[in-house]
Amino acid sequence: AQTVTQSQPEMSVQEAETVTLSCTYDTSENNYYLFWYKQPPSRQMILVIRQEAYKQQNATENRFSVNFQKAAKSFSLKISDSQLGDTAMYFCAFMIPNQGGKLIFGQGTELSVKP
Amino acid sequence: GAGVSQSPSNKVTEKGKDVELRCDPISGHTALYWYRQSLGQGLEFLIYFQGNSAPDKSGLPSDRFSAERTGGSVSTLTIQRTQQEDSAVYLCASSPKTVPNTEAFFGQGTRLTVV
Repeated sequence: AQTVTQSQPEMSVQEAETVTLSCTYDTSENNYYLFWYKQPPSRQMILVIRQEAYKQQNATENRFSVNFQKAAKSFSLKISDSQLGDTAMYFCAFMIPNQGGKLIFGQGTELSVKP
Repeated sequence: GAGVSQSPSNKVTEKGKDVELRCDPISGHTALYWYRQSLGQGLEFLIYFQGNSAPDKSGLPSDRFSAERTGGSVSTLTIQRTQQEDSAVYLCASSPKTVPNTEAFFGQGTRLTVV
């Protein structure tokens, strides 16, 4: 079975500082994709960053970057220069392309950015 | 439309009644997914459509849950004889399923409350 685990239910960070959210996953597949989604109070899931498992280079999107450790099955999200608008639930997710594209989500980490 | 649209935004129903939740995907997106998000939990996959067919219904929790998609566009998730444990946010997502594009675009969900 494929599972995604986020061990930090809640985290907080001061504005302008850096925070890292943890995620581990379990699969026997070799070809898969990993994602971080943000869910603000509006409920709409917003894609933050995506990583293809076959790529060794860590993905980066502006202030967001990941540390992808394939052997350890770890996929952490680093948010630099945190902003108040980053306050949201963050979900780590996993997808195997030949299984229709469905996403397997972790339980989420609630991030609060404090002024 | 510009994004995935779900209706209603909120629904309160009495235990035992049937409800229908609607999803309008992004025009041209062939893949459509339904997820359920219970309070404080991550998203749980329910069903996946490719066009009008549903190759993966493995996440539907019971035979009270069903879904259909017509014209390769609008999808309806029906819950019969609702129970209090059905209370959750139901999220719909669509994807163009164009390799290597694997991003799913989410709607804002329907919050279902069974009283």
